[in-house]
Amino acid sequence: NAGVMQNPRHLVRRRGQEARLRCSPMKGHSHVYWYRQLPEEGLKFMVYLQKENIIDESGMPKERFSAEFPKEGPSILRIQQVVRGDSAAYFCASSLTSTSSYEQYFGPGTRLTVT
Amino acid sequence: GDSVTQMEGPVTLSEEAFLTINCTYTATGYPSLFWYVQYPGEGLQLLLKATKADDKGSNKGFEATYRKETTSFHLEKGSVQVSDSAVYFCALNNNNDMRFGAGTRLTVKP
Repeated sequence: NAGVMQNPRHLVRRRGQEARLRCSPMKGHSHVYWYRQLPEEGLKFMVYLQKENIIDESGMPKERFSAEFPKEGPSILRIQQVVRGDSAAYFCASSLTSTSSYEQYFGPGTRLTVT
Repeated sequence: GDSVTQMEGPVTLSEEAFLTINCTYTATGYPSLFWYVQYPGEGLQLLLKATKADDKGSNKGFEATYRKETTSFHLEKGSVQVSDSAVYFCALNNNNDMRFGAGTRLTVKP
């Protein structure tokens, strides 16, 4: 059973470009979460999605950031007009259910560098 | 809101030393508690978990006990190895709201 997959692993963008980060959850998981990790810091929740629905986007910046989890295909985190402050590691996690006792399984992350 | 506070690092130990990384939490209700480990350049891996008070999670020689009276979930290992060098994150999940501590970097020297 493949784990959570993210691609690309590394992404370099110039200021003003768009960044698209993809996440395929574990087989059978329908709950997807995105987190951002700044250097030497913990993870900050961004958004929680189920298929075709955004359940909680309380951690998403109000502008330039969007996320989707379509019926078919991976979840996408999209950052428009990137700025240097967007440089970070972005992790996707998935879970089998939304029950608190179930752990989230993490992907290897996408490291975004904005030059 | 809910939060997790864990011992600041970095922590440097010699091989076979005893490890404790403190973690306390603030939450309403009955969260589940987790320890995750992150090796360089990788994502987080679940190390252990406990879903109710007095539960003890254990894995690979690591242990942590869910103490509701002290709102703590301290991570312990009796004898660390060089391969345990990583960043350790304490986390809670309360009604599907996951919160992480800032992480504690552990370095084990031979």
